[in-house]
Amino acid sequence: AQSVAQPEDQVNVAEGNPLTVKCTYSVSGNPYLFWYVQYPNRGLQFLLKYITGDNLVKGSYGFEAEFNKSQTSFHLKKPSALVSDSALYFCAVRGKAAGNKLTFGGGTRVLVKP
Amino acid sequence: DTAVSQTPKYLVTQMGNDKSIKCEQNLGHDTMYWYKQDSKKFLKIMFSYNNKELIINETVPNRFSPKSPDKAHLNLHINSLELGDSAVYFCASRRTELSEKLFFGSGTQLSVL
Repeated sequence: AQSVAQPEDQVNVAEGNPLTVKCTYSVSGNPYLFWYVQYPNRGLQFLLKYITGDNLVKGSYGFEAEFNKSQTSFHLKKPSALVSDSALYFCAVRGKAAGNKLTFGGGTRVLVKP
Repeated sequence: DTAVSQTPKYLVTQMGNDKSIKCEQNLGHDTMYWYKQDSKKFLKIMFSYNNKELIINETVPNRFSPKSPDKAHLNLHINSLELGDSAVYFCASRRTELSEKLFFGSGTQLSVL
């Protein structure tokens, strides 16, 4: 069965500092990996995806993520965090063995302080 | 224009009641989903429909019955509501079953008293 782990429930960072949200995954075959963001009282919004190709993928709002096959990780990064980045971030994986079903991690709350 | 809209936004009801949540997408997508987000924010898929046909049915009590009258709509009916059903329910859609990007509605917060 495929799974996603986000080891940190919450990440605190000062505005202007780099932000990293960790994600590791387990899936049979090649993974499709995603990051979504959820602002308060809103649905999830797509940030970025890794399907194939360059291990570093760039997404919305200045976010990027690095696919590391040997470490089965897909950490989300932003070089300089903004207060408006405070939200709940979800990593997700999809693999063919699970019928293309998307499995989400437990989410990581990011709090960016001014 | 809201791409994926669900109603109501809030639903407060008593145990034992039957309630429905409606979802509509105006994106022309073929595939629609229901997800449940619990109090710890854990997000779990419940159902998936592709062109009005059920393709994913997770281990969900049969009190939950999805209905897709057409591919733009996926409604969720819940019978005999229980306290544990309290959660936020999200509808989502994507262009096809294999498309990468999911579009989510803004959620329905269900509180069972």
